[in-house]
Amino acid sequence: GDSVTQMEGPVTLSEEAFLTINCTYTATGYPSLFWYVQYPGEGLQLLLKATKADDKGSNKGFEATYRKETTSFHLEKGSVQVSDSAVYFCALYTGTASKLTFGTGTRLQVTL
Amino acid sequence: GAGVSQSPRYKVAKRGQDVALRCDPISGHVSLFWYQQALGQGPEFLTYFQNEAQLDKSGLPSDRFFAERPEGSVSTLKIQRTQQEDSAVYLCASSLRTGGAGGEQFFGPGTRLTVL
Repeated sequence: GDSVTQMEGPVTLSEEAFLTINCTYTATGYPSLFWYVQYPGEGLQLLLKATKADDKGSNKGFEATYRKETTSFHLEKGSVQVSDSAVYFCALYTGTASKLTFGTGTRLQVTL
Repeated sequence: GAGVSQSPRYKVAKRGQDVALRCDPISGHVSLFWYQQALGQGPEFLTYFQNEAQLDKSGLPSDRFFAERPEGSVSTLKIQRTQQEDSAVYLCASSLRTGGAGGEQFFGPGTRLTVL
């Protein structure tokens, strides 16, 4: 079945540091890939997505590139801010089922 | 409203009680999903509605779980005879298009259920 594996957190960084959160996937079909973010006290929000190999999704300074050869979709940001502190979820969607399949989430804590 | 709303936000139930969790999707959204998120885990799919039709209920963990969306808008997730393992955050999501809308789903804030 489909599955997503994320690096375990928490990840603690100083403001303006470089961020990478690793994500790899296993899918029976050809998935679309997503990063969702959950800020404290709020619902999950779509951060970015990529629908085919070599696509790069980007939003709010975050980027992730769909790498079919390594089945990965790592999240990166060049300079994190305190306001980026949240839980980040990698997810996939194949269309054979209507559901999203999520990883376990990675908590990011950014300090001054 | 502007987004997906859920009520109550918090629910404490004694083991064996029945609970009902409500979801108001974004107006006009055809698809509605329920997910269960255990502490420290990612959301896990429970069920999917397209309008009033429940097209997929493969994720419901037992026959104590029941969901409905009778008029194709508001949905209710009911859990009968709650058990401690039912303690989790229950997330509702909606999308404008049919199917999974390519994965672009709008999530509510969730209902945190604690079973004592």
